[in-house]
Amino acid sequence: DAGITQSPRHKVTETGTPVTLRCHQTENHRYMYWYRQDPGHGLRLIHYSYGVKDTDKGEVSDGYSVSRSKTEDFLLTLESATSSQTSVYFCAISDQAGTHTQYFGPGTRLTVL
Amino acid sequence: KNEVEQSPQNLTAQEGEFITINCSYSVGISALHWLQQHPGGGIVSLFMLSSGKKKHGRLIATINIQEKHSSLHITASHPRDSAVYICAVSGTSGSRLTFGEGTQLTVNP
Repeated sequence: DAGITQSPRHKVTETGTPVTLRCHQTENHRYMYWYRQDPGHGLRLIHYSYGVKDTDKGEVSDGYSVSRSKTEDFLLTLESATSSQTSVYFCAISDQAGTHTQYFGPGTRLTVL
Repeated sequence: KNEVEQSPQNLTAQEGEFITINCSYSVGISALHWLQQHPGGGIVSLFMLSSGKKKHGRLIATINIQEKHSSLHITASHPRDSAVYICAVSGTSGSRLTFGEGTQLTVNP
């Protein structure tokens, strides 16, 4: 299994609070991705990174920001959580872009009350 | 209409049956991926293909680029194959994946 971890694995928070999710990899892969998974939708890309300090928006980026200051860490921040951001969040890594396999983390279940 | 459509959404089979899950897409692609999501939530990549056919154990994936269609076959299905199977495509720009909604497979003993 690819060395990829997410923390926390579960979080319950209240509307309006800031939340940061962490993705950590030990594979030295260049690309890192944050997805959310909701019933009735496929996995949807929030943001991705193609190198240290290089990030770009995905299809559902509103309300989220990311940072990548080191190759191994990719942080997803909800500046002011809303109930619509209740979801399961997956991080993924890849050594190259979409024509290469992506390896997924175990997921973080976030509940915003 | 989603760029990636899977069918069926739900599939129940008896152990030993041959199973087919279909994926159609509407955009030009550089590769198509099949993934499996276990009941516990973990997601693993099964196949990545851009042409022809790939086989791994009892799983076979095929793709027809002209028809924009791919199939995932499971031979001699087993209850441990019960999972959500997800199709995803990477576009010609290459950097992102677009996912189907998944097919929930249940194999009964």
